[in-house]
Amino acid sequence: EIVMTQSPATLSVSPGERATLSCRASQSVNSNLAWYQQKPGQAPRLLIYGASTRATGSPARFSGSGSGTEFTLTISSLQSEDFAVYYCQQYNNWPPRFGQGTKLEIK
Amino acid sequence: EVQLVESGGGLVKPGGSLRLSCAASGFTFSKAWMSWVRQAPGKGLEWVGRIKSKTDGGTIDYAAPVEGRFTISRDDSKNTLYLQMNSLNTEDTAVYYCATSYCTSTSCYLFDPWGQGTLVTVSS
Repeated sequence: EIVMTQSPATLSVSPGERATLSCRASQSVNSNLAWYQQKPGQAPRLLIYGASTRATGSPARFSGSGSGTEFTLTISSLQSEDFAVYYCQQYNNWPPRFGQGTKLEIK
Repeated sequence: EVQLVESGGGLVKPGGSLRLSCAASGFTFSKAWMSWVRQAPGKGLEWVGRIKSKTDGGTIDYAAPVEGRFTISRDDSKNTLYLQMNSLNTEDTAVYYCATSYCTSTSCYLFDPWGQGTLVTVSS
């Protein structure tokens, strides 16, 4: 099974600044990589799929990049509503696997 | 508006059973592939299993930790997804979410949208 590793575990960033989150797969997942956002007490929400395609309703400040084993989620200018936990997920191989998450907190 | 509403969670003793339900509305449930995903307290997300639509064969697959203990089913006449959980152990303690499978050209193992979840606690 593919193991997904996210870094850092916690990222402290000030509103208005850029945030960069990383996700690494233990073997190539091509571009079959998704990002989800989960706010406290809420269900996850799909943000990005295909490594770089924004899901319906995802703001343009969210962008994804990468392929193979290394992926990045960038939030260009953090808004207050962006502070949450972000999970990457590979869907190239069965079973689908999530990373352990990166908590984005206000600095 | 798409809505998924889980119910049936609660406290159960190790070795016990529980059945979760997920009531769907706002979309054609009978055509949807549906999944269960769980989240242990303070932990990450873990896919539990998926059921295809009947028209696509109704195939079900499960994650290894629940294979043989959990059963996913659906009642399209009631727009409801089920998760029957047997032989529960403390490691099954989690919030259980139902989610619609979101398909790309390469896979239907994406999840969107999700319900609000229901908490299952396995404890003596």
